[in-house]
Amino acid sequence: NAGVTQTPKFRILKIGQSMTLQCTQDMNHNYMYWYRQDPGMGLKLIYYSVGAGITDKGEVPNGYNVSRSTTEDFPLRLELAAPSQTSVYFCASSRQDSYEQYFGPGTRLTVT
Amino acid sequence: GDSVTQMEGPVTLSEEAFLTINCTYTATGYPSLFWYVQYPGEGLQLLLKATKADDKGSNKGFEATYRKETTSFHLEKGSVQVSDSAVYFCALSAGFNKFYFGSGTKLNVKP
Repeated sequence: NAGVTQTPKFRILKIGQSMTLQCTQDMNHNYMYWYRQDPGMGLKLIYYSVGAGITDKGEVPNGYNVSRSTTEDFPLRLELAAPSQTSVYFCASSRQDSYEQYFGPGTRLTVT
Repeated sequence: GDSVTQMEGPVTLSEEAFLTINCTYTATGYPSLFWYVQYPGEGLQLLLKATKADDKGSNKGFEATYRKETTSFHLEKGSVQVSDSAVYFCALSAGFNKFYFGSGTKLNVKP
């Protein structure tokens, strides 16, 4: 099994550009999450989803949007990129009955 | 609000040394506690967990005990190996959408 995959691994954006970070899991997990990790800080929850068609905001949702049209995919959209969005982004998934989250390898995003 | 504080790194040890990485938490309820490990170029992996007070989580020679009286969940290993070099994250969960992570502690183990 591939587990949780994320693309791209690295990306440099100019201020004001937009992009979509892709996340796919092949474990049939209902729950999926997007986190960001700033240097020297812990992970912070951006958005989460408890199933296809259901999403909700986490701790730091401003500047981001998500959608969940299938169980497998949970893309994160950045509109009008800002330097404050420079970070490492992690996608994760979990079963409905477990707190164990499975993480992707991360996307390192730089906005200049 | 809920939060996790863990010791800053990097921590550098010689092979076979004893490891302790401190983690303390603040929570209003009765959270579950976790240690995750991140190897270079990979995502976070669950290392061990404890779901209630006095529980001890263990895996791959690592241990951590859920201490409610000191609000701590320190990670220990009796004899580290070079292959243990990684970043370690302490985390708590107060629900499926309430995960809080520490800032991570980088461990370097020298041969």
